[in-house]
Amino acid sequence: AQRVTQPEKLLSVFKGAPVELKCNYSYSGSPELFWYVQYSRQRLQLLLRHISRESIKGFTADLNKGETSFHLKKPFAQEEDSAMYYCALRGTSGSRLTFGEGTQLTVNP
Amino acid sequence: DTGVSQNPRHKITKRGQNVTFRCDPISEHNRLYWYRQTLGQGPEFLTYFQNEAQLEKSRLLSDRFSAERPKGSFSTLEIQRTEQGDSAMYLCASSPTSGRTSSYNEQFFGPGTRLTVL
Repeated sequence: AQRVTQPEKLLSVFKGAPVELKCNYSYSGSPELFWYVQYSRQRLQLLLRHISRESIKGFTADLNKGETSFHLKKPFAQEEDSAMYYCALRGTSGSRLTFGEGTQLTVNP
Repeated sequence: DTGVSQNPRHKITKRGQNVTFRCDPISEHNRLYWYRQTLGQGPEFLTYFQNEAQLEKSRLLSDRFSAERPKGSFSTLEIQRTEQGDSAMYLCASSPTSGRTSSYNEQFFGPGTRLTVL
């Protein structure tokens, strides 16, 4: 079975502060991990994936297989980063995505 | 807008009625997915198609739910004898498949259909 856990439903930081959104997963094989973001009144969209190893909008995420984590980080949060963030996993056997419950990030001015 | 589209955007129905939702994927995408999202939760997988073939169904997809993609283009999701527990946002997504592997292919989501069962 595959499972994704995002322990924080709400996260609030001030502009310019570092932010880390936590994601832990459970999967017996080698998964693909993703972060999706949903801005207010917009559709769900891919932010980044672990395979790409890229930084998008200043965000990075490193897959830690030992700790089964894929935390999303940004050194200096901006107000426009306020959104709902979902961590998602895709297993090797199929195409489905398994999502976490999401973390609502609010960046205060 | 060339993204995934869903209709209707909102549907209010009475318990026991049947409802049908439509999803139009991005035109060159072979794969089409349905997810359900309830309040405070992340999207949950329901089913997916590659072209017109339904390749995987979740246990969440009870016998009251049926999905089709008859010509490998748009898809419909029907819920029969709706129950209040069916109230949710129903999301559709599509993705291309590459010739070698689909592992990296991004799923593009539609705006969703919000169903309210009274």
